[in-house]
Amino acid sequence: AQSVSQHNHHVILSEAASLELGCNYSYGGTVNLFWYVQYPGQHLQLLLKYFSGDPLVKGIKGFEAEFIKSKFSFNLRKPSVQWSDTAEYFCAVSRIYNQGGKLIFGQGTELSVKP
Amino acid sequence: DTEVTQTPKHLVMGMTNKKSLKCEQHMGHRAMYWYKQKAKKPPELMFVYSYEKLSINESVPSRFSPECPNSSLLNLHLHALQPEDSALYLCASSQPGQGVGEQYFGPGTRLTVT
Repeated sequence: AQSVSQHNHHVILSEAASLELGCNYSYGGTVNLFWYVQYPGQHLQLLLKYFSGDPLVKGIKGFEAEFIKSKFSFNLRKPSVQWSDTAEYFCAVSRIYNQGGKLIFGQGTELSVKP
Repeated sequence: DTEVTQTPKHLVMGMTNKKSLKCEQHMGHRAMYWYKQKAKKPPELMFVYSYEKLSINESVPSRFSPECPNSSLLNLHLHALQPEDSALYLCASSQPGQGVGEQYFGPGTRLTVT
């Protein structure tokens, strides 16, 4: 069965530290990959996406992610985190069927940034 | 307009009650979704509507009944729920096909079953 694994359950960083959140998926076909973020008390929102082309994709708020096909990975990075980056981060893969489609989410990583 | 709205924001219901959750989007999306989310957990997909037809039901108990009256509206009818159904219920929309991954989420309805 297709799955998405996020390596870290809870990450605690100080402001200005660099961030890397791991994500691996298990699916042999063509995949579309996503990172979603859920700030405290706010909507779940799309942070960035990968469909094809340049494996290094840039998203909102200075985030980027690198797709490494050989490693089935799509890790999220940010050079310097801010207190406002405190949130829950979800990696996701989309599956498309003839009758519809869906997102498959990882378990999430809670990021806490200390001011 | 890139907003998905949900009503009510909070709902408390007894196990014998019947209530409905409502979702609306005006982005012209033709796929809509219901998710259930527990604290610190990822959203769990419940139902997918594609072009106003139910396309995916993730083996959800029959006490949850979805309805898609038109391309902008999505309802979730609730009946005889259990306390373990207490959760945040999220609605989302997207374009079908390759657009499935780019979903716009509403703020959710916080449901408490007593």
